[in-house]
Amino acid sequence: DAKTTQPPSMDCAEGRAANLPCNHSTISGNEYVYWYRQIHSQGPQYIIHGLKNNETNEMASLIITEDRKSSTLILPHATLRDTAVYYCIVSFSSNTGKLIFGQGTTLQVKP
Amino acid sequence: EAGVAQSPRYKIIEKRQSVAFWCNPISGHATLYWYQQILGQGPKLLIQFQNNGVVDDSQLPKDRFSAERLKGVDSTLKIQPAKLEDSAVYLCASSLGAITSTDTQYFGPGTRLTVL
Repeated sequence: DAKTTQPPSMDCAEGRAANLPCNHSTISGNEYVYWYRQIHSQGPQYIIHGLKNNETNEMASLIITEDRKSSTLILPHATLRDTAVYYCIVSFSSNTGKLIFGQGTTLQVKP
Repeated sequence: EAGVAQSPRYKIIEKRQSVAFWCNPISGHATLYWYQQILGQGPKLLIQFQNNGVVDDSQLPKDRFSAERLKGVDSTLKIQPAKLEDSAVYLCASSLGAITSTDTQYFGPGTRLTVL
């Protein structure tokens, strides 16, 4: 079973920031938080991952709470192309650990 | 850089027939994964290869599903005989297989299987 809880759906206005929450209260000390997204009819796409510190790349920012029990993925300026299912996953290094996908959050970006 | 290639993209078969899917991972990627994604659900790992050895096949229904990765590059996933509940998208992913760092998985476009 997935070790994360995400809201099933969210809406966001185009050009605004999209903040996608994820709860992972049973995360262990050496598990990472990964975010992937899946645009309709495509395979999942890696977005970002982190262990303790906040992370930022060209796609998004990841904010992890100090107790590591929850995190937020931030898309700073959402576009219509960001409409997708977003998956939050906790896992060890994926060379040895599985990526267990839950139901994810369906983000609908509206004009 | 070329991505993960899969073929065919779509397949329709009758129940009890057999079917095979092919995957070509990103060049140099040692780890290869097959996932099954049923409509409305997240992908579920079926099998994981490290080079040509199986790392995890705990979720593979071995009475009807088989997979191989000859020479540690391309891989095939076979279903024989197919059941109605096998209708799904079959995704292939690959990763570098680095042992000492986190390892991003790159996914192919998937093969959509419909069993009638």
